[in-house]
Amino acid sequence: KAGVTQTPRYLIKTRGQQVTLSCSPISGHRSVSWYQQTPGQGLQFLFEYFSETQRNKGNFPGRFSGRQFSNSRSEMNVSTLELGDSALYLCASSLEGLTEAFFGQGTRLTVV
Amino acid sequence: QKEVEQDPGPLSVPEGAIVSLNCTYSNSAFQYFMWYRQYSRKGPELLMYTYSSGNKEDGRFTAQVDKSSKYISLFIRDSQPSDSATYLCAMEEYNFNKFYFGSGTKLNVKP
Repeated sequence: KAGVTQTPRYLIKTRGQQVTLSCSPISGHRSVSWYQQTPGQGLQFLFEYFSETQRNKGNFPGRFSGRQFSNSRSEMNVSTLELGDSALYLCASSLEGLTEAFFGQGTRLTVV
Repeated sequence: QKEVEQDPGPLSVPEGAIVSLNCTYSNSAFQYFMWYRQYSRKGPELLMYTYSSGNKEDGRFTAQVDKSSKYISLFIRDSQPSDSATYLCAMEEYNFNKFYFGSGTKLNVKP
């Protein structure tokens, strides 16, 4: 079966712009979580959605937001981009909880 | 102090060696423990998960959890060059829906 699909794979944006990333989970999975991965900080949890509801969030500023649609697809948005937002953004899907979460290939965001 | 500590390596071993990868943690509420493998420019791939303490084996991989010491391990037997990757541990409290990751250990298995 198809895995987790993230689009786009690569993105270059300018400081101050905003960006929207998309994640299509594995069919039947209702939980989608988002992560930021950087060489300095490693993998950091952004937020998790289940059935269109955010169940938990990490310690990121309000510029980072997300949502989940009724078909379980999810988007995350970053507004007023900063150079430090350059990272690999990963999403993962699972049936219900985070255990046995499967990751997508990620979206590599570069802010210039 | 970080919630999860993991030696970043790199760890270099010859082919066929037994590899031991470890993480320590500070939150005694963690109940689920996962190991992920990440190849360069790829997303993490789930290798194993364990609930609470104990051992779990899957092929060449064995995961161990010692909650009393707040210490988890992943052993790889008969290591292969294809095992060369970064290994990440992840932990979660029961029903908390939030992962905490280690920083990852980079493993290089030399032919």
